[in-house]
Amino acid sequence: EPEVTQTPSHQVTQMGQEVILRCVPISNHLYFYWYRQILGQKVEFLVSFYNNEISEKSEIFDDQFSVERPDGSNFTLKIRSTKLEDSAMYFCASSPFPGQGIGGYTFGSGTRLTVV
Amino acid sequence: DAKTTQPNSMESNEEEPVHLPCNHSTISGTDYIHWYRQLPSQGPEYVIHGLTSNVNNRMASLAIAEDRKSSTLILHRATLRDAAVYYCIRAGSQGNLIFGKGTKLSVKP
Repeated sequence: EPEVTQTPSHQVTQMGQEVILRCVPISNHLYFYWYRQILGQKVEFLVSFYNNEISEKSEIFDDQFSVERPDGSNFTLKIRSTKLEDSAMYFCASSPFPGQGIGGYTFGSGTRLTVV
Repeated sequence: DAKTTQPNSMESNEEEPVHLPCNHSTISGTDYIHWYRQLPSQGPEYVIHGLTSNVNNRMASLAIAEDRKSSTLILHRATLRDAAVYYCIRAGSQGNLIFGKGTKLSVKP
């Protein structure tokens, strides 16, 4: 069964440093997403991406964050100048269609980001 | 705002059916109802989705009320591996999935 692959599985970074979280979506999917989950809290939407541009973003996704699809297969989330409160599990997801989808969204296993 | 209401937690016995309810009284005519689950330390996993008719797949069944203001996810025979947080989500045709707090399902052997 096709999978969404995320790397690394765990990243530790110092406060103020930049991090790039990587994702390889399912190859025939067109819509890509980042979500995050702070420990013990609910899964929060960050951003959706289609046709090489952001479709929608939440208020969490401020100027500190950016997304890119640099080479047609990878989908990255960059966090500039990380803060302690950015520590969370970050999930990438992809879908063939937005909203209702066919088979829904497929999520990766996540990258645990720890900012120290 | 997830715009759905689910019980915080439910318990079930292994090998018994489980009915997980969800209220979505303000749902629009074009919103789909999605169910996802999240096992401990894993990413969300798609379970099932539907619009108006009841739906069945290998994981579960989805029963949608005639007025679409509520739905029920049915696990026909719960196993210990079904212990997870189950999320009921409204999704518009162009909208993104917005997760609420979900229902934490515990399965007792």
